[in-house]
Amino acid sequence: AQSVTQLGSHVSVSEGALVLLRCNYSSSVPPYLFWYVQYPNQGLQLLLKYTTGATLVKGINGFEAEFKKSETSFHLTKPSAHMSDAAEYFCAVISSSGGSYIPTFGRGTSLIVHP
Amino acid sequence: NAGVTQTPKFQVLKTGQSMTLQCAQDMNHEYMSWYRQDPGMGLRLIHYSVGAGITDQGEVPNGYNVSRSTTEDFPLRLLSAAPSQTSVYFCASSSGHTQYFGPGTRLTVL
Repeated sequence: AQSVTQLGSHVSVSEGALVLLRCNYSSSVPPYLFWYVQYPNQGLQLLLKYTTGATLVKGINGFEAEFKKSETSFHLTKPSAHMSDAAEYFCAVISSSGGSYIPTFGRGTSLIVHP
Repeated sequence: NAGVTQTPKFQVLKTGQSMTLQCAQDMNHEYMSWYRQDPGMGLRLIHYSVGAGITDQGEVPNGYNVSRSTTEDFPLRLLSAAPSQTSVYFCASSSGHTQYFGPGTRLTVL
């Protein structure tokens, strides 16, 4: 079984400040981990993903995330927030066994960016 | 490449009515899925398909039917709409790990 917990349904930052969105997962086998972003009135799009190899992964728009197996975490960061980063962010996990590529999503974190 | 398309964008139904939400993809992906998105609940899987002719239930399948007669299309049928089915519905396709989402259908059941 796999599950995802996103701490904080809303995160508020000032423009130019550090963005940190938290994600913890549970998986009985090595996971594949994802962050998706949803802009208002749109579908989700992939921001970045970890499958194997380097544990620090870089995505679009200056975001990055680090897979920490010991902490079962995959937190999303960006050094300097921009107004255009305001969106809903979803963490997702796929367990890498069984051949199923159906992800389990977290409940989402709404990022609010203040001028 | 249109990606994943969904129709309609918006729909209002009365309780007890039936309707079909359409989803199509032009990427030749094997996997297709339907999710519903409700405030504070994230995305919940309704049904999914791993290829033409093969479907399976997700987390919240009750009240919904699906079929997959072609690789491209994966319609979602509401047999008798209920107010609890008011939601935003997303279709997704994938070949491997990454999901590609459609723009969504906003459904209101009165």
